Amino acid sequence: RKEVEQDPGPFNVPEGATVAFNCTYSNSASQSFFWYRQDCRKEPKLLMSVYSSGNEDGRFTAQLNRASQYISLLIRDSKLSDSATYLCVVFTSGTYKYIFGTGTRLKVLA
Amino acid sequence: NAGVTQTPKFQVLKTGQSMTLQCAQDMNHEYMSWYRQDPGMGLRLIHYSVGAGITDQGEVPNGYNVSRSTTEDFPLRLLSAAPSQTSVYFCASSYLGNNEQFFGPGTRLTVL
Repeated sequence: RKEVEQDPGPFNVPEGATVAFNCTYSNSASQSFFWYRQDCRKEPKLLMSVYSSGNEDGRFTAQLNRASQYISLLIRDSKLSDSATYLCVVFTSGTYKYIFGTGTRLKVLA
Repeated sequence: NAGVTQTPKFQVLKTGQSMTLQCAQDMNHEYMSWYRQDPGMGLRLIHYSVGAGITDQGEVPNGYNVSRSTTEDFPLRLLSAAPSQTSVYFCASSYLGNNEQFFGPGTRLTVL
């Protein structure tokens, strides 16, 4: 089993739709969680960190469920510019390793 | 402030050749890491470093060496290139701990 798992998609959604991605992790000692965005053939960039109480940044909401070991990303009112691959990242301070999921591709259609 | 820089951007090697991918950062970050990204595989950690003089293996270290003689530089060496090492390589840096990683633009490597 992979340490961090994501549905690869693609998720094809119309503009204005709400879409949600989940990511599961297997190491219960994982301490920090992030969502990164990666555009085609570019480097990943931080979208948002995920806090225990959940957090929101504009149209984006991230949630953490430690009991079930998953994190989620909700995108409201999707824009064409949201089309990208969204990477789930888990950090474990004991090992100092950031482990990436394989990413979920999102295509927002006009 | 250049952030994280990587050279070269593109490279073609023949099987058995060696080369070094360069990575430098000017943000005084303690933590630096190397990843490879293959289609459908996401980013996989090759090696990482928590400070000058300290390196450790990630998920896929075989065939690669690293060193960290300064805070700024973290070169990745391919000892004897193989076609299986054809990939996109990203270098990243961050402050130590659970912090945002900053990535370089990547090196696209093809091994024939």
